[in-house]
Formats: sequence, C-alpha cells, structure tokens
Amino acid sequence: NAGVMQNPRHLVRRRGQEARLRCSPMKGHSHVYWYRQLPEEGLKFMVYLQKENIIDESGMPKERFSAEFPKEGPSILRIQQVVRGDSAAYFCASSPPGHLYGYTFGSGTRLTVV
Amino acid sequence: GENVEQHPSTLSVQEGDSAVIKCTYSDSASNYFPWYKQELGKRPQLIIDIRSNVGEKKDQRIAVTLNKTAKHFSLHITETQPEDSAVYFCAASRGDYKLSFGAGTTVTVRA
Repeated sequence: NAGVMQNPRHLVRRRGQEARLRCSPMKGHSHVYWYRQLPEEGLKFMVYLQKENIIDESGMPKERFSAEFPKEGPSILRIQQVVRGDSAAYFCASSPPGHLYGYTFGSGTRLTVV
Repeated sequence: GENVEQHPSTLSVQEGDSAVIKCTYSDSASNYFPWYKQELGKRPQLIIDIRSNVGEKKDQRIAVTLNKTAKHFSLHITETQPEDSAVYFCAASRGDYKLSFGAGTTVTVRA
C-alpha cells in the first residue's frame, strides 16, 4: 500500500495563475480531507470529500478555491488566480469508510506563489 | 468552533531529559485527542492518541494524559533522543472528521 500520494511535491506559480493539487487516497479509503499549513502554524481544515460529494467545505476560502473527488481518479484542490498569501503547504489525508480516527496524511504539496 | 492552544512554542532539552507539551481545548464535546510529529519538510505522522474515556495512555517513551474537567491534555516524552527533534502538534476532535490543531511545539534535543 503506497499510502496517501500527493503531487506535485513542490509547485511554483506566478500571481494570477491556477494551481492544481492532486491527492490519491490510500487503497480502500473513501474519505479525503484537505488541510492547509501556513508557515510556522498548525494545520487548518479546509474540506472533507467523499467520492463525488463535498461533505464539508466550511474551511475553504469563499472565492478562488474549489475541491473535487471524482468517481475515478484523484481528489483535486484547485486554486484560481493565486496570490502570495496562498503560499503554504497543502496536506491531504484519507480514512476508510466508517473510520474517522487517526487518518493518514500525505507528504503535502508546497505551493509557492511568486 | 474548537480552539486549541499549545505551549510552549519551542522547547530545548538535554538528551536523556524529559519533554512535556501542554494543550488546552475549548469545546467540551471534543472526545478524541491525537498528537502528530512533523519533521522538517515532511508530513505529520500520528504518534499517539487518546480518547475521552481514558485518562492516560503510554507507548514506550511517549505518554499522553487527559484532564476532561480542565480541558487540557499533555504529551510526555521521556529519555529524549536526538531523533525526537521535530515539531509536535496536538489536535482535538469531536470524533467526527475534523481535527483542530494547535500551533505546534518545536522540540530540539541537545546531544
């Protein structure tokens, strides 16, 4: 089991460009969560998805950010028209059905906006 | 929502000594408290967790205590080693899917 896979590991975007972050959950896991970690801060919840459903997006900024978890393929966190304040590490985690405790994080995508 | 405060923000200990990190939470409905270790540039890794029906849990050199009445919980690392140097995060949850994290403690173990 390869664990939670995120790519790319590092992403550099110019202001105004779009960033797409991908997350493949662990095999057998159907729940995906995205967290954002600003420099020298703890992780902040962004969104919780199941296949084809957004369950809770209460932590997502109201504009420019969107997430999906299609029936086939990885979960995608999309940031449109990036700004410098979007620079952060974005972590994805997954858990199996009916088990919400102690989920496993991926290695993260470090987004730098220049 | 839940607010988790973590202290200290940095901690330097001599190898072999103990390290203690303390967290408080605000939501009395929280019932699950994991601790994560994050090495530089790597993902957070779960090292120990405790649920509200337990007051203390130990795993080798790591222990966690929980005081539900006071709404605080602590991580204790004994006989610290250089490989314990990392950032440690506490978190709290109502047992659903959402974790609220503290701001982290940078632990440095001096050889």
